[in-house]
Amino acid sequence: GESVGLHLPTLSVQEGDNSIINCAYSNSASDYFIWYKQESGKGPQFIIDIRSNMDKRQGQRVTVLLNKTVKHLSLQIAATQPGDSAVYFCAEIYSGTYKYIFGTGTRLKVLA
Amino acid sequence: DTEVTQTPKHLVMGMTNKKSLKCEQHMGHRAMYWYKQKAKKPPELMFVYSYEKLSINESVPSRFSPECPNSSLLNLHLHALQPEDSALYLCASSPISTSGGDTQYFGPGTRLTVL
Repeated sequence: GESVGLHLPTLSVQEGDNSIINCAYSNSASDYFIWYKQESGKGPQFIIDIRSNMDKRQGQRVTVLLNKTVKHLSLQIAATQPGDSAVYFCAEIYSGTYKYIFGTGTRLKVLA
Repeated sequence: DTEVTQTPKHLVMGMTNKKSLKCEQHMGHRAMYWYKQKAKKPPELMFVYSYEKLSINESVPSRFSPECPNSSLLNLHLHALQPEDSALYLCASSPISTSGGDTQYFGPGTRLTVL
């Protein structure tokens, strides 16, 4: 299930189940979106990106969905594994600028 | 080589010390970034260099001084820091895409503790 604490929402998922992490973005002019995974003590690691002219993009075990109507982005992880445990950040950017707007992050906990 | 490296990995300094953080990339990227990240928070942008010129300073206090000696290197000079400056400092680089949307690649960070 999902819980929202004072700082970081947490999603707990059974190993082998699918995970869905959601993100509401803020700028309707943003045209490029990225998901990052950050493990404890490490820098954010690029997972998958999507441009605003698409609504779905698939990678290896991951899928990103973009709904521009409601400014919503989601990351789906298939067959979640213990190694997927991390904090996941979405980021949006308007092309031609350098400034990412990061979401607040979601901690994914994979239960054995 | 698709890696951004940062040194040192950990740094402990007093409020009167002067130290520097270093970042290097060999991906031919022409934009480099410094971020500050507090626990359980997303990265906060501090500085952006594009083509070795400072293009964004997010109103960062002058006790943080960035430097970009060449297109592969980025430094962050630290002086007279405060305990609240303790954080993970992340460097990132991006290629400056001409097709829109620029992917930033992050280094592992320097964990800074100010005593």
